[in-house]
Amino acid sequence: NAGVTQTPKFRVLKTGQSMTLLCAQDMNHEYMYWYRQDPGMGLRLIHYSVGEGTTAKGEVPDGYNVSRLKKQNFLLGLESAAPSQTSVYFCASTETGASTDTQYFGPGTRLTVL
Amino acid sequence: QKEVEQDPGPLSVPEGAIVSLNCTYSNSAFQYFMWYRQYSRKGPELLMYTYSSGNKEDGRFTAQVDKSSKYISLFIRDSQPSDSATYLCAMSASGSARQLTFGSGTQLTVLP
Repeated sequence: NAGVTQTPKFRVLKTGQSMTLLCAQDMNHEYMYWYRQDPGMGLRLIHYSVGEGTTAKGEVPDGYNVSRLKKQNFLLGLESAAPSQTSVYFCASTETGASTDTQYFGPGTRLTVL
Repeated sequence: QKEVEQDPGPLSVPEGAIVSLNCTYSNSAFQYFMWYRQYSRKGPELLMYTYSSGNKEDGRFTAQVDKSSKYISLFIRDSQPSDSATYLCAMSASGSARQLTFGSGTQLTVLP
């Protein structure tokens, strides 16, 4: 049981390049989330999904797109990377029907945009 | 103004000290309150969960929620060097697709 995994762990992009971050979970969770973490800002929600085929915007969605084609995977895309998107990106998932809102986090992807 | 305010620290204490970490919030719809612990270069992991007001104890950790004051606290007794991490408060409202709003985190170092 791997929990939540993220690919890649590190990436360096040039301004204007595109990339996709992959999140996978093996806990059969319905809800999945993408956050970014910046110094002094805590974790901010980018996009989330409440089930396969659904996505919704979070607090800071601009410049990002997401897709949830399979229940276990949640992809985060940057179409044209900007230096302001330099951050650590975390994926998380949670189960529906649970008594808590516990979110399980992946190990993170460190992205630098030059 | 942020919905959730947390003193960023850093906080440095000697081993065995009692540590108090706090967050204030402005959204009265928040009903679920959590504390996450994040070690350096790792993802956050849930430490404590509390619903509505009251106290919850788990070993050396106690979480308190005062909804009337919109204030939550985490106390760590007999702190250990292994407690050195960033502590993030988080909260959510019912019907919010379990979205969490996080504080900015407090970096704690427990010195041996």
